[in-house]
Amino acid sequence: GENVEQHPSTLSVQEGDSAVIKCTYSDSASNYFPWYKQELGKGPQLIIDIRSNVGEKKDQRIAVTLNKTAKHFSLHITETQPEDSAVYFCAANLRGVTGGGNKLTFGTGTQLKVEL
Amino acid sequence: EAGVAQSPRYKIIEKRQSVAFWCNPISGHATLYWYQQILGQGPKLLIQFQNNGVVDDSQLPKDRFSAERLKGVDSTLKIQPAKLEDSAVYLCASRGTSFGETQYFGPGTRLLVL
Repeated sequence: GENVEQHPSTLSVQEGDSAVIKCTYSDSASNYFPWYKQELGKGPQLIIDIRSNVGEKKDQRIAVTLNKTAKHFSLHITETQPEDSAVYFCAANLRGVTGGGNKLTFGTGTQLKVEL
Repeated sequence: EAGVAQSPRYKIIEKRQSVAFWCNPISGHATLYWYQQILGQGPKLLIQFQNNGVVDDSQLPKDRFSAERLKGVDSTLKIQPAKLEDSAVYLCASRGTSFGETQYFGPGTRLLVL
C-alpha cells in the first residue's frame, strides 16, 4: 500500500515569514495530492491540491509543488499570518483497481505556529 | 451547500460499552468514508462505501467495529465492545463521483473510552 511521510512535525515561524512542509510518497501510481488544514476541534479542510500531470499550483499565498520522479511534494505558505496556525496534513490518492476505489493515505501532520 | 454532518460531537463511555456514530454526507455524494484519527496522527481509513456497498474495509477491526449505509445516504459506525485504544476522533468524509474530487470532512466525533 501507499506510505506518506511528512516533515517537519512542528514548525514555528514569525508572522510574515514563509513556511514549507514536505512530504514523500512511496507508490508511483498515486496521482492526486491534496493538502488539508485542521484547526483545533474541527475536521480537515482542503486548502489546495495537485494532480500528477502538473508540477506546480498556486492559490494566493499558498502553493504546492510536485516532483513525480523523486516522489516528493511540498506546501509553501508565504506571508504567514496568525490565522495560518493549525495542523497541516498532506495526502496521496491511489485509485483502486475496482471502480470508485479512490483511497487517501495521510501524512502524520505538521503543527504550524505563526508567532507575532 | 450543507457540509458533512456528524453526531454526536463528543462521547464518553466506559470500556466494554457500545457506541454508535452517525454521518450524513453532502447531498448527492455517492462515496462515504469513515476515518479514525488518534491524537497526533493523520486520519486512517476504516471503511469506504460507494452508494450502499462496501468498497474497502480492509482496515476495519471487524471483531468490534461495524458500519452500514443501508439506503446509500447516511451511515452509522458502531463499536462493540469499546476498548481504551479506541479513544480517537472519528471522521466522516464524502466525495462526488469524479476521479480525484475532493473528500469533504465532517467535524468529527470525539470518543473517550475510560
